[in-house]
Parts: sequence; structure tokens; C-alpha cells
Amino acid sequence: SSELTQDPAVSVALGQTVRITCQGDSLRNYYGNWYQQKPGQAPVLVIYSKKNRPSGIPDRFSGSSSGITASLTITGAQAEDEADYYCNSRDSSGNHWVFGGGTKLTVL
Amino acid sequence: QVQLVESGGGVVQPGMSLRLSCAASGFTFSTYVMHWVRQAPGKGLEWVAVIWDDGSNKYNADSVKGRFTISRDNSKNTLYLELNSLRVEDTAVYYCAKEARLGIDWYFDLWGRGTLVTVSS
Repeated sequence: SSELTQDPAVSVALGQTVRITCQGDSLRNYYGNWYQQKPGQAPVLVIYSKKNRPSGIPDRFSGSSSGITASLTITGAQAEDEADYYCNSRDSSGNHWVFGGGTKLTVL
Repeated sequence: QVQLVESGGGVVQPGMSLRLSCAASGFTFSTYVMHWVRQAPGKGLEWVAVIWDDGSNKYNADSVKGRFTISRDNSKNTLYLELNSLRVEDTAVYYCAKEARLGIDWYFDLWGRGTLVTVSS
């Protein structure tokens, strides 16, 4: 099965913009999805199918994709955005799903 | 209220078995593909298994193949995961997740709160 690679940790100053990336061969065929997870909580979907935001997710969250790289951008990061972020997609076989290793976002 | 509620976790010894349940409510359970995802303590998310809406197809991650079995009872709006031959490395919070679809893309739009399975001697 395919793998998705994320940077383990990223930091951003309050109010600034940060991009979190995810790389993997499966992203040639499937757009990535992004989940936010805060300590002790279940993951929450923040971006699906490359760039779509579920209802209730602030518009400072946006997604994009190019080649084998999916990106999550937070424009004007807030303290409450401090969390772990995971990308995911189906793998190349289409019968398995994969997650990236996660990126811990720190808002300074 | 749209929700998923897992249950059945606990502390078991290596080699033993456990059955997890996930009760769905607030949506038409029988029309959605469902998944189990787990998270070991301090680690990332790991996809475990998927079952089609009618139960016709099931797939497992290689790490649990031959040991874990996913199933569902659409009459009871409940998803199950049978865990056999448990190993210490299976210790994790187990989440059930509902799949949604947009074109050829699939994503998890609803998660339960999870149930903790601890495998220890």
C-alpha cells in the first residue's frame, strides 16, 4: 500500500499563514483530505477532496493539490488551531485507505 | 442527532479476543460505507478496515489481516470489529468512521469518540 508523508512538526506565529504538506503516490489518483485532532478528541474533517470545507469549518482553512502533494493552508492562524493535522486518501489499489504520519502545529 | 458511539474496549491479555461495537444514529446507516481507524498511544492514525454499505465487500489493513474481522448489522444500525489473537501492538483507541463520497474521492465525515483497547499481560 502507498504511504503519505508529512512533516512531523510545524510552527506559526499567531495571525500568520502556515502551509502543511502531504506527499504520496496515491495523490496522483485521489485528492487528499485533512483532519484536525486536538488532544483527547476524535479527528474532525477540515478539508475534503482537495479544497472543500465542511460546514462549520472557518474559511481560514483551505486546501490545494499538485502532482503528488496535497497542502492545507491556514491563513491567519489562531490559538485554537493548535492541533495535530492528518492527511488521508485511498491508496493506489483503491481498496485500502492511508493516513499521513501527522503534523503537530504549534501556534506561537 | 447524527453520531457514532463505540463500545466494547477494555484490558485483555495477549492472544485473547474482543468485539467492538459502533452504534450509529441520525443517518441512514445502511447506505454508507463504514470504517475502523485506530490510534496507538502518542501515535498517528492508522486505517484498520472497511465494509461496504451492504456488507458485500470488506478489506483490512495488512497489519490486522487474518486477525480482525469487520461486520455490520444494518437492522441494528451497528458496526462491529472482531479482534482476535490480540498483540501488545494492537493497543490503541479504536474509532469508527462514516465514509462520504464526492466523485471518485472518499473521506471520513463523521467519527465516533473511540474506545480504548489495551493488550497487556
